[in-house]
Amino acid sequence: AQSVSQHNHHVILSEAASLELGCNYSYGGTVNLFWYVQYPGQHLQLLLKYFSGDPLVKGIKGFEAEFIKSKFSFNLRKPSVQWSDTAEYFCAVNANSNNNDMRFGAGTRLTVKP
Amino acid sequence: ETGVTQSPTHLIKTRGQQVTLRCSSQSGHNTVSWYQQALGQGPQFIFQYYREEENGRGNFPPRFSGLQFPNYSSELNVNALELDDSALYLCASSSSLVYGYTFGSGTRLTIV
Repeated sequence: AQSVSQHNHHVILSEAASLELGCNYSYGGTVNLFWYVQYPGQHLQLLLKYFSGDPLVKGIKGFEAEFIKSKFSFNLRKPSVQWSDTAEYFCAVNANSNNNDMRFGAGTRLTVKP
Repeated sequence: ETGVTQSPTHLIKTRGQQVTLRCSSQSGHNTVSWYQQALGQGPQFIFQYYREEENGRGNFPPRFSGLQFPNYSSELNVNALELDDSALYLCASSSSLVYGYTFGSGTRLTIV
C-alpha cells in the first residue's frame, strides 16, 4: 500500500528564511503528487500538484515543489517565507492506478517568526 | 461558486451511539471523499463516492458507512461509536483529480 512520510513535524523559521519541507512516498508505480496547506482555523487548500511533465512545479504564493522519481520525493520549497506562511503543510499521493485513494502524510507545522 | 459545506461543525456523542455527518459538495463536483483527521495527524482516507456508488474504501471497519445523493451531497454514518472515533471528519469534493480536491472545514466529533 502507498504511504507518505513527512520528515519534519515542526519547523520554525524567521521571516525571509528559505524553506524546504521533505516528502517521501512509497509506491513503485505512477503517482500523482500534491501539497495542501491548512492555515489556522481554515480548511485544507491545494498549494500545487504534479501529474506529469516538468518535475519542477510552481504553485500559489511563491511555493514550488520538485518531483525526483529516483528518490521517491516531492519536497516543497519557498525561497523566502513570510509570517503569513505559518500553517500546517500536508503532502499527499495518489497512485495513478487507483484514482479514488489519496494518502496524506502526517503534516509539517510551519511557524514563521516575524 | 459555493465551496464544500459540512454540518454540524461540532458534535459530542457518547460511546455506543450512532452519528450522521453531512456534506454538500461544491457545485459541479460529482465525487465526494471522506477523511478522518485525528489530532496531530494527517487525514486518513475513509471512502469515496462517485455518482452515488462507493468508489473505494480505506482501512476503516464496516460501522463506517456512507451515502451519496442524486445532487452529489453525502452522508457519513458511524455506528457503535468508540472513544478513538474522536477526530475531525473532513469531506472533500472534486470533478476530477486533475483539479485536486476542495475540502470542507470539517466536523469535530468528540466521543465521551
